[in-house]
Amino acid sequence: GENVEQHPSTLSVQEGDSAVIKCTYSDSASNYFPWYKQELGKRPQLIIDIRSNVGEKKDQRIAVTLNKTAKHFSLHITETQPEDSAVYFCAASLSNFGNEKLTFGTGTRLTIIP
Amino acid sequence: SAVISQKPSRDICQRGTSLTIQCQVDSQVTMMFWYRQQPGQSLTLIATANQGSEATYESGFVIDKFPISRPNLTFSTLTVSNMSPEDSSIYLCSVTSGSIPDTQYFGPGTRLTVL
Repeated sequence: GENVEQHPSTLSVQEGDSAVIKCTYSDSASNYFPWYKQELGKRPQLIIDIRSNVGEKKDQRIAVTLNKTAKHFSLHITETQPEDSAVYFCAASLSNFGNEKLTFGTGTRLTIIP
Repeated sequence: SAVISQKPSRDICQRGTSLTIQCQVDSQVTMMFWYRQQPGQSLTLIATANQGSEATYESGFVIDKFPISRPNLTFSTLTVSNMSPEDSSIYLCSVTSGSIPDTQYFGPGTRLTVL
């Protein structure tokens, strides 16, 4: 089955700087890669996703890049703010409209230092 | 996106008992899933809840321990049976909707503590 590795496990960034979280996956057939943000005591919230036919996607301060050849994808957060502090999870799935189960990475605890 | 609720939000249970968790969605959804998140850990898929048929379980999870029902397109239950302290976790349901089939949204979770 799919295996997703994520690093770093913890990341501290000065407010205003950029943060990058990286994930690798094992199944070359995976074609859908979402990122979730989980604040303490809250549910995971989808913040951005990317599909295999796209190399990069951006939404305001958040961007995700995908390298299918190397089987890795990354989350980039620019101009970080204190409210970006949370645990971030990457995930991968083989999306074929009936089998969308997600395999999650181990998570990255991001701390923004004011 | 769909509005997802779970009951109970938290519970403290005794070893050997069972707890049924409900997941209710405000609109019909295509897929429903149940995940477990152990303290400080990532999310692990328990099973896919299939409407009108038996759930599909992931490796390491069995029906006798985690029976699941999905009687219609908006509701599912997960039972944690014969609980032990190792079952202490957050249990989350997630759904996909037909408009964007593979995007999953999570319920608020049920925090279970087994003594």
